[in-house]
Amino acid sequence: KNEVEQSPQNLTAQEGEFITINCSYSVGISALHWLQQHPGGGIVSLFMLSSGKKKHGRLIATINIQEKHSSLHITASHPRDSAVYICAVWPYNTDKLIFGTGTRLQVFP
Amino acid sequence: SAVISQKPSRDICQRGTSLTIQCQVDSQVTMMFWYRQQPGQSLTLIATANQGSEATYESGFVIDKFPISRPNLTFSTLTVSNMSPEDSSIYLCSVEDSRGNYGYTFGSGTRLTVV
Repeated sequence: KNEVEQSPQNLTAQEGEFITINCSYSVGISALHWLQQHPGGGIVSLFMLSSGKKKHGRLIATINIQEKHSSLHITASHPRDSAVYICAVWPYNTDKLIFGTGTRLQVFP
Repeated sequence: SAVISQKPSRDICQRGTSLTIQCQVDSQVTMMFWYRQQPGQSLTLIATANQGSEATYESGFVIDKFPISRPNLTFSTLTVSNMSPEDSSIYLCSVEDSRGNYGYTFGSGTRLTVV
C-alpha cells in the first residue's frame, strides 16, 4: 500500500463545476503539499499546509491531521485548471517528500 | 518564492549517449533535489545534492549512471549517462524554499526521450 493515496485518479468536469480531490496518507507529517503539473512537465506548488485550511483564488486546501486526510477544492472550474494535481507529504525528521500518484483533471468548456 | 531555471526543457537522444540537465536558482539554497518521473508514474527521488559534498543517492540510483555536480549554492547539474529507452522520463530539480510559504519550488522539468 502506498504511503500517500489520491482519489480519484482521473476526473472529468464541465466548466463551472466544483471539484474535490482527496489525499490520504499513513505517516506522521510536518506538512502536506498540493502541486500542479502541466502537460509540459513543470510543477507549481499550490499549497503547503500543516493544519486547517488555506485559500488562494478559486483553490481551497484543507487538512485533518488526526484523520491523515487532505482535500483540494477548485471552485468554478475552468479549462485552464486542466492538469495533474499531486499530493506530497513531508514526513517528520526527513527532507524527503513522499508523492501521491496524482489526479488527472480535465475541465471541458 | 525561489525561482528555478531548468534546461533543456526537452530533448530526444540516441541510446548510448549522455545528457546533462542544468538547474539555476535565483537564491542560495543548501539542498537541491533531483527527481525522475517515468511515464504515468509519480515522482521518484534520485539524489540530494549538497554544495561541497558528494550527492546522496537513493536506492536504485548510482553515481555512475546519474552523476551530479553542485559547484555552488545556486547551481546543479544532473547527467543521465549511457542512456537507454528506459531512461525516457521527465527529470525535475527542486529546492526547499525558505523564503516562501510553499515549502518546495520545482524546476520546469526536462522531458527526455531516448530512441
